[in-house]
Amino acid sequence: GEDVEQSLFLSVREGDSSVINCTYTDSSSTYLYWYKQEPGAGLQLLTYIFSNMDMKQDQRLTVLLNKKDKHLSLRIADTQTGDSAIYFCAESSVGTGRRALTFGSGTRLQVQP
Amino acid sequence: EPEVTQTPSHQVTQMGQEVILRCVPISNHLYFYWYRQILGQKVEFLVSFYNNEISEKSEIFDDQFSVERPDGSNFTLKIRSTKLEDSAMYFCATWTGRGTGELFFGEGSRLTVL
Repeated sequence: GEDVEQSLFLSVREGDSSVINCTYTDSSSTYLYWYKQEPGAGLQLLTYIFSNMDMKQDQRLTVLLNKKDKHLSLRIADTQTGDSAIYFCAESSVGTGRRALTFGSGTRLQVQP
Repeated sequence: EPEVTQTPSHQVTQMGQEVILRCVPISNHLYFYWYRQILGQKVEFLVSFYNNEISEKSEIFDDQFSVERPDGSNFTLKIRSTKLEDSAMYFCATWTGRGTGELFFGEGSRLTVL
């Protein structure tokens, strides 16, 4: 079945850039998403990328997609302490009728002041 | 901004008891989902619901689970006879049915089975 993998932990200093990586197995993935989960809260969509795109930029966030390697990354520029959270990569495959998202295990980002 | 609301935020129950988790979807959304997250593990898909019926379900969603939308507003997840391993955070999510497939998640209901 579909699988999404992420590294578990990333620590950066405030002001540095953070890069969170994700790999997925489903070649029919249509949309890839990044969700943010703060302690005790639900999942908040940060950004998404359609599978025919290579890059998407949204303010401090840059998403890079390498469809050949099935690799997705999220870059956060000028990381702030408020960015400390768990970041989930997720994918869906509209074309196969599978609407449900498959999530990775989440990467915990710790931002040191 | 419209949001998905879930109740209760935390429920503690004895093993074998029935539990009902409730979700109020965003009003113009057509697809509804339940996901769960066991502590420290992945967010796992349970079930999706569209047009008053289940459209997709995972292997986790066995006969102990059921969903319904009894009154056209609340979307509920029932666990018939809870087990210790059902302890998790349960998230409701909804989608308009159009566009990029963005799911809007509630804040979750934490279920603790003793």
